Amino acid sequence: DVKVTQSSRYLVKRTGEKVFLECVQDMDHENMFWYRQDPGLGLRLIYFSYDVKMKEKGDIPEGYSVSREKKERFSLILESASTNQTSMYLCASDRTGNYGYTFGSGTRLTVV
Amino acid sequence: SQQGEEDPQALSIQEGENATMNCSYKTSINNLQWYRQNSGRGLVHLILIRSNEREKHSGRLRVTLDTSKKSSSLLITASRAADTASYFCATGPPYGNKLVFGAGTILRVKS
Repeated sequence: DVKVTQSSRYLVKRTGEKVFLECVQDMDHENMFWYRQDPGLGLRLIYFSYDVKMKEKGDIPEGYSVSREKKERFSLILESASTNQTSMYLCASDRTGNYGYTFGSGTRLTVV
Repeated sequence: SQQGEEDPQALSIQEGENATMNCSYKTSINNLQWYRQNSGRGLVHLILIRSNEREKHSGRLRVTLDTSKKSSSLLITASRAADTASYFCATGPPYGNKLVFGAGTILRVKS
């Protein structure tokens, strides 16, 4: 069964900490995405990547960075966590050609 | 930037009834997709309809697309309690793979 795995389901971090959210896919997909989901705001794209070492900003990249050193892994980094980054973070991948995204189970991050 | 907007925001029906959700969008698309999200989990891809298609079926799901009206509908027939979830439409642009999601419809199926 093909999968996108997010390293943590729940995470609690302190304000100012550097936070790493990891995402791994086993489908050899070229494209990977990070979204955050907040009540009333839907899913908003933070960053995406079409290839190894390649990244592009989404709609809300401020306060975040990403890393894609290997095709299967796409990491989201919160350089200095703030309380307004408390959210559900969703990673997704797909192959070029619009076949539909495969999502991970999500990481619910709380910044205190 | 949100493109798809679902209607209604919430829907409550009895088991066995049909559920219809609508999605409107604003710009040109290559395809439109529907996803389901169970509470606190990731989204699951349900069905994709391309811009040159008008209707598509998958099991109890029926999706229509009207590009002249920039709208789509998702019909779930003979609903079950297990269909209780949030449903999102997402539009795929003419170029690239970057989907834009709507805010979703919360469906509750009562047994």
